[in-house]
Amino acid sequence: KQEVTQIPAALSVPEGENLVLNCSFTDSAIYNLQWFRQDPGKGLTSLLLIQSSQREQTSGRLNASLDKSSGRSTLYIAASQPGDSATYLCAVRGNTGNQFYFGTGTSLTVIP
Amino acid sequence: DTGVSQNPRHKITKRGQNVTFRCDPISEHNRLYWYRQTLGQGPEFLTYFQNEAQLEKSRLLSDRFSAERPKGSFSTLEIQRTEQGDSAMYLCASSLGEQEAFFGQGTRLTVV
Repeated sequence: KQEVTQIPAALSVPEGENLVLNCSFTDSAIYNLQWFRQDPGKGLTSLLLIQSSQREQTSGRLNASLDKSSGRSTLYIAASQPGDSATYLCAVRGNTGNQFYFGTGTSLTVIP
Repeated sequence: DTGVSQNPRHKITKRGQNVTFRCDPISEHNRLYWYRQTLGQGPEFLTYFQNEAQLEKSRLLSDRFSAERPKGSFSTLEIQRTEQGDSAMYLCASSLGEQEAFFGQGTRLTVV
C-alpha cells in the first residue's frame, strides 16, 4: 500500500520568507501527484497537479517539483503571506488511477 | 457555482440514527470519490464511482455504510446506526478520468 509522509508537520515563518514543504511516497509507480490547501474546517482546494512524466509545475508564487524515482515532491512558496496560513496536503494517485493516498499535511503559519 | 457541492455542511445526530449526505460533482466529471477525514489526519479513501458504477470500496466502508450514484450524476453516502467513531468530515471529490480532482467543502458529522 502507498504510504505518503509530509515533513514538517508544522511550520511557522515570518511574512516574506520563501519556504519548502516536503512530501515523500513509498511506491514510485504513480499516475500523478496533487497538492492541496485546506483551511480549518473547510474542504480541500487544489493548488497544483503534476503528472508522473513531469518534473515541475508552477502557479503564481507556488512551484511544485516531482522526483518520481526517489519518491519525493516539494512545494515551494515564494514570498509567503499571512493568507498562505493553512494546512497543505499532498496526494498521490497510483497507477491504477482509482484513488488518492494522502499525507497528514503540513500546518503552515505565516506571521505578519 | 460550478464546483463540487456537498449537503448538508454540518450534521449532528444521535448514536444509532441513520444519516445521508449528498454530493453534486462538477457536471462533466465522470469520476466521484468519497473520503473521510478525522482531526489532524489526511483524508482516507472510502469509495469511488466511475459514472454510475461503484468500482472500489475501502475496508473502512463497513456494512453500515452505503453509497450510490444512480444516474452517474449526484451521489449519496448513507451511514446506518451511527456510532461515535463515525464522527468526522466526509469529503466528496470529482475528476474527469485521472485528471485533476476537485473537492467539495465537506460534511461535518458529529454523533452524540
